[in-house]
Amino acid sequence: NAGVTQTPKFQVLKTGQSMTLQCAQDMNHEYMSWYRQDPGMGLRLIHYSVGAGITDQGEVPNGYNVSRSTTEDFPLRLLSAAPSQTSVYFCASSYGREGYGYTFGSGTRLTVV
Amino acid sequence: GQQVMQIPQYQHVQEGEDFTTYCNSSTTLSNIQWYKQRPGGHPVFLIQLVKSGEVKKQKRLTFQFGEAKKNSSLHITATQTTDVGTYFCAGRVTGGGNKLTFGTGTQLKVEL
Repeated sequence: NAGVTQTPKFQVLKTGQSMTLQCAQDMNHEYMSWYRQDPGMGLRLIHYSVGAGITDQGEVPNGYNVSRSTTEDFPLRLLSAAPSQTSVYFCASSYGREGYGYTFGSGTRLTVV
Repeated sequence: GQQVMQIPQYQHVQEGEDFTTYCNSSTTLSNIQWYKQRPGGHPVFLIQLVKSGEVKKQKRLTFQFGEAKKNSSLHITATQTTDVGTYFCAGRVTGGGNKLTFGTGTQLKVEL
């Protein structure tokens, strides 16, 4: 089925560990974004990309890196995990045209202990 | 930076009652989108509004974009238990590139 695939669905990390959250879409969408969702704070933009090779920072980029080497994939790297990064992470993609909303993945629930 | 606030944060209604959530931006928006997130799920795109004063309807849902393009509302007529979830607005700032900023969301609970 077409859509946005995120892996893993759940992850527990120790403080200081690094890891990569995977995101892949098969809809040939130009735009891809990473959001984190915390209770009472809505969805906050971490990084986004408007096409392969192009990335930019969102509202809360510190502690995260991204790259976009292909249209399909947009991995999010946590460099040195901190308890403050405990959250639910959503990847989303969209056509870069008016009228198209974002399609979200099912999310990764990350706990940093 | 741009802030998008929604009120109320929570709303508890009896089935059949109406519901409205309001979205306010500190800056002018080029467009606004609305999403619904069911408990334990991911946000799902509902609609996009682009024009000043635009009103769109989807069955029992009515979406409105303010004249100044800084606010928006979602009204649900005669709520049903299937309407339960959190409703988010999300906007792009005029001249702000491709960042989509989400509002804080309104959590709707519907009782029988």
